[in-house]
Order: sequence, then structure tokens, then C-alpha cells
Amino acid sequence: DVKVTQSSRYLVKRTGEKVFLECVQDMDHENMFWYRQDPGLGLRLIYFSYDVKMKEKGDIPEGYSVSREKKERFSLILESASTNQTSMYLCASSFERAGGTDTQYFGPGTRLTVL
Amino acid sequence: AQKVTQAQTEISVVEKEDVTLDCVYETRDTTYYLFWYKQPPSGELVFLIRRNSFDEQNEISGRYSWNFQKSTSSFNFTITASQVVDSAVYFCALSATNYGGATNKLIFGTGTLLAVQP
Repeated sequence: DVKVTQSSRYLVKRTGEKVFLECVQDMDHENMFWYRQDPGLGLRLIYFSYDVKMKEKGDIPEGYSVSREKKERFSLILESASTNQTSMYLCASSFERAGGTDTQYFGPGTRLTVL
Repeated sequence: AQKVTQAQTEISVVEKEDVTLDCVYETRDTTYYLFWYKQPPSGELVFLIRRNSFDEQNEISGRYSWNFQKSTSSFNFTITASQVVDSAVYFCALSATNYGGATNKLIFGTGTLLAVQP
């Protein structure tokens, strides 16, 4: 079974704090993704990584950065948290499939509140 | 542009009723992939099905069935004899494309909240 874990289920931070969200997968997947989920907007891609130290911006990268130093771990960083970053954050991973789209497997999510 | 529309924001049914969740997509590609995920109250998205654009056969898995119709760009999901445990948000997703080919990124619909009452 694929397992994607996220460091926290719930997190409360203050405006201006630096926030780290960690994601680990155990299936040797090449691709890893960070999404945020907001009511009425579905899932929106923040960043994804297709290899160690490689990253690509998604649809809403502003205010976020990422780090992938090891294949199994993908971190999302909020350099200076703001209240509009209060959201549910979901991590996912998948195999790289040339010319196709493999299934993404998701972690349990981190519900971040910024006060 | 690629897009996924789930027009039903919320559906409420009574246990044992059949229910269909609609998904309409837009893409210019001939090769693409469609997915359904379930998100129960616990929050984790659970993969249900992956379908490529060349496989229009309908699929049945227990009480779940999917109807893929390229002619109407729809990939609808039916739950037969619904149960309270089916209560969740259901997302439909489409593979994003880049330079004419499917990529590993997904475009999600806004989700349909299904509430199954006992």
C-alpha cells in the first residue's frame, strides 16, 4: 500500500511566522505535489517536484517555496505566514509516466490556521 | 483550456437510494486521463478510479460504477444502494497537458458533497 504522511494534522501559527509542512512517501515515487484546498475552489496546485532538487511552480505559488533534498521528502515553506494562507494543505505523490498521467496518492492533509 | 466542472455542489439522499455524481471536462487533447477521488470527513483523498481517453468501457466495482462518454465529455460516477459511509466529498480530475501531451499534473473539479442520511 502506498503511504504518504504529513507531519501535522492541525497547525496554528501567527502572522509573520515561518512555517514548514513536511511530507514523506514510501513508494519511491518520482513526483511529489503540494495542493491547497479551499471551500468552493477545489484543489489548487502550489508546487510540484519531479526529482530531487527539481521543482516547478503550480497555479498559486506566490507566498510559498518548496524543498526536495531527498526523493521521499517534500517540504512546503511559508516564508512569512499570512491569514490568507489559512487552508487545508494536501501532499501527494506519483510515479513519473512518460506520455501519461499516473495516479496521485494523497496524505491525510494539514489544516493550517494563521492568526 | 482544460477544465473540470462538477455542477452539483451538494447532494443529499436517503440510504439505499442510487445517486449519480456528474463530471464534465474540457480538453483539446486526444490523450488524457480522468480520475475520481473520495474525501471522507477525515480529510484524506482516496483514489477510486483512473481512466484513459482510449478506454470508453464503463466500469463497475461493487456498488460503484462509472460512465465515460467522450461524445458529451462526461465521466459520471454512480453509487448504487448508497450507504452512510459513502458520505464524503467526491472530486473528479483531469490530466493537465503541456505542449500537446498529458502531464503528471491534475486539474480538479470543485467537488460534490454527498450526504447520505440513514
